[in-house]
Amino acid sequence: GAVVSQHPSWVICKSGTSVKIECRSLDFQATTMFWYRQFPKQSLMLMATSNEGSKATYEQGVEKDKFLINHASLTLSTLTVTSAHPEDSSFYICSAPFDKTEAFFGQGTRLTVV
Amino acid sequence: DAKTTQPPSMDCAEGRAANLPCNHSTISGNEYVYWYRQIHSQGPQYIIHGLKNNETNEMASLIITEDRKSSTLILPHATLRDTAVYYCIGIFTSYGKLTFGQGTILTVHP
Repeated sequence: GAVVSQHPSWVICKSGTSVKIECRSLDFQATTMFWYRQFPKQSLMLMATSNEGSKATYEQGVEKDKFLINHASLTLSTLTVTSAHPEDSSFYICSAPFDKTEAFFGQGTRLTVV
Repeated sequence: DAKTTQPPSMDCAEGRAANLPCNHSTISGNEYVYWYRQIHSQGPQYIIHGLKNNETNEMASLIITEDRKSSTLILPHATLRDTAVYYCIGIFTSYGKLTFGQGTILTVHP
């Protein structure tokens, strides 16, 4: 199937710094991508919809100034966690729809803020 | 959105069939039933989807009741590597926005 690649797989950063996570569709184009967050022993929660060429759409309760999303091209979306704090530590996962019938997920990024 | 209900956990012996149920009584006529699984610390993996008819692929079979209010995912010969959280999703928009429930933790034991 189609491949979605996330980078980095894990990152540790100091409190107050910013972290950028990349999501790439390797063999198909995606005008829309989705960002999810998953806390330990919980399900995936949709954070935002990334739209190529326009602003991202955020779910209720997600701070758009803290989680900056840029859909730079048809194969790349980035999520920047700004001024990260320990409570932002989580597993971040992106997905991209394919062929209007499937969604493929990246391998996820484990963020730890110390 | 169609709400889905799954048992929180299930066990299965290696080599046996694993049958994972899902209730989606509010599903509408044009909503597909999708199944994904998530192995620990990885992104979700697509398994199978269906609308009305039963479906089978190399990974699993999907049995959907005639009234579409429930379905069962069948892993015919479970292996230890099938241990994961299995999500039944009752809504899928044309652009791939998925709403995950709590899923079923399937543990395959020797």
